[in-house]
Amino acid sequence: AQSVSQHNHHVILSEAASLELGCNYSYGGTVNLFWYVQYPGQHLQLLLKYFSGDPLVKGIKGFEAEFIKSKFSFNLRKPSVQWSDTAEYFCAVSEGGTGFQKLVFGTGTRLLVSP
Amino acid sequence: EAGVAQSPRYKIIEKRQSVAFWCNPISGHATLYWYQQILGQGPKLLIQFQNNGVVDDSQLPKDRFSAERLKGVDSTLKIQPAKLEDSAVYLCASSLGAGGPGEQFFGPGTRLTVL
Repeated sequence: AQSVSQHNHHVILSEAASLELGCNYSYGGTVNLFWYVQYPGQHLQLLLKYFSGDPLVKGIKGFEAEFIKSKFSFNLRKPSVQWSDTAEYFCAVSEGGTGFQKLVFGTGTRLLVSP
Repeated sequence: EAGVAQSPRYKIIEKRQSVAFWCNPISGHATLYWYQQILGQGPKLLIQFQNNGVVDDSQLPKDRFSAERLKGVDSTLKIQPAKLEDSAVYLCASSLGAGGPGEQFFGPGTRLTVL
């Protein structure tokens, strides 16, 4: 069965600091990779996704993620965080292909950005 | 575009009682998902519908949980009888496609507390 590991459960940064959140998955085949974000009081929403092609994916609000197949990783980055980035971030994986794929989520990372 | 609607937003019940949650997906979305998110964990898929047929219910505790999707649109998730460990947020999501790695759009969730 697939599993997703997010190494940092809580991260605290000051504004303008750089961010990197780790995500590793266990599945040897083709995968689809996602980062979802949940801002306080809001729904889960998609931040970015990787299906194929360029392993460096750019998402909304200046976020990007890099798929490194050899490391089974899909780390999320942002060069300079803002107070408004305070949220919980979830990495998720589904098996690649055209069939029905179940999303498997990591446990999430709570990011607090202090002004 | 209206998002995924869920009701109620909060529910408190005693163990052994029954409870039902309702979800209205985004119009035109063929695929509907129910997730369970226990505090401190990522969402876990309970059941996935394609139109009104079940695609995946491998993680649904079928002795107490049931779900249906009426006419391929709205869906209800029922728990009967509830246990203490069912305390969680129940998320409904929908996606457009019949298969493949389509983006899932999440509702606000129903927070269930079982006393």
